[in-house]
Amino acid sequence: DGGITQSPKYLFRKEGQNVTLSCEQNLNHDAMYWYRQDPGQGLRLIYYSQIVNDFQKGDIAEGYSVSREKKESFPLTVTSAQKNPTAFYLCASSSAWAGGGYEKLFFGSGTQLSVL
Amino acid sequence: QQPVQSPQAVILREGEDAVINCSSSKALYSVHWYRQKHGEAPIFLMILLKGGEQKGHDKISASFNEKKQQSSLYLTASQLSYSGTYFCGTEFTDSWGKFQFGAGTQVVVTP
Repeated sequence: DGGITQSPKYLFRKEGQNVTLSCEQNLNHDAMYWYRQDPGQGLRLIYYSQIVNDFQKGDIAEGYSVSREKKESFPLTVTSAQKNPTAFYLCASSSAWAGGGYEKLFFGSGTQLSVL
Repeated sequence: QQPVQSPQAVILREGEDAVINCSSSKALYSVHWYRQKHGEAPIFLMILLKGGEQKGHDKISASFNEKKQQSSLYLTASQLSYSGTYFCGTEFTDSWGKFQFGAGTQVVVTP
């Protein structure tokens, strides 16, 4: 079955540590996204990528980094520069329409990151 | 540039109707609607592409007013399963593929 897989489900970070969240999709989608969700809040865009080896900053990119070396993978690193990383992180993917724009987003099941 | 949703929350009894609004400060290319249950991933409901177009998903429908740069989601004859947080996601003509979401509207349907 096609889908989008995030791991781990729960992650704990110590002070000064970088951690990496994994996101893999087998839907052959062009675009992949990372969103951050704080309790009772909406989804805020961190980074997105529309083609391999290219990505764009979203609204809250500071303290995060990404790579897109393969079409199916889009890992997110939460660096030590992100002072308030505790949140629910969602990865998503989408496919481009031939005439412009993108189709619906498929979301992974999320990773809950907490600070020790 | 994130869309503005209203209301923030709404409480309904089963069978009642509700409207959720999503407004943008820029001309929209598309509006997506999703519903999220606590601790789960958002689930897609519908996409609207053209001004004035309405779409439906069960007893949930939506409209898109291109001129007013806004979309509305209509929950008709609500069911308990409609409870959750509803998000609108917007895409602009000058930034295809960059989806930004509103803060969400929490919907609680009671028996």
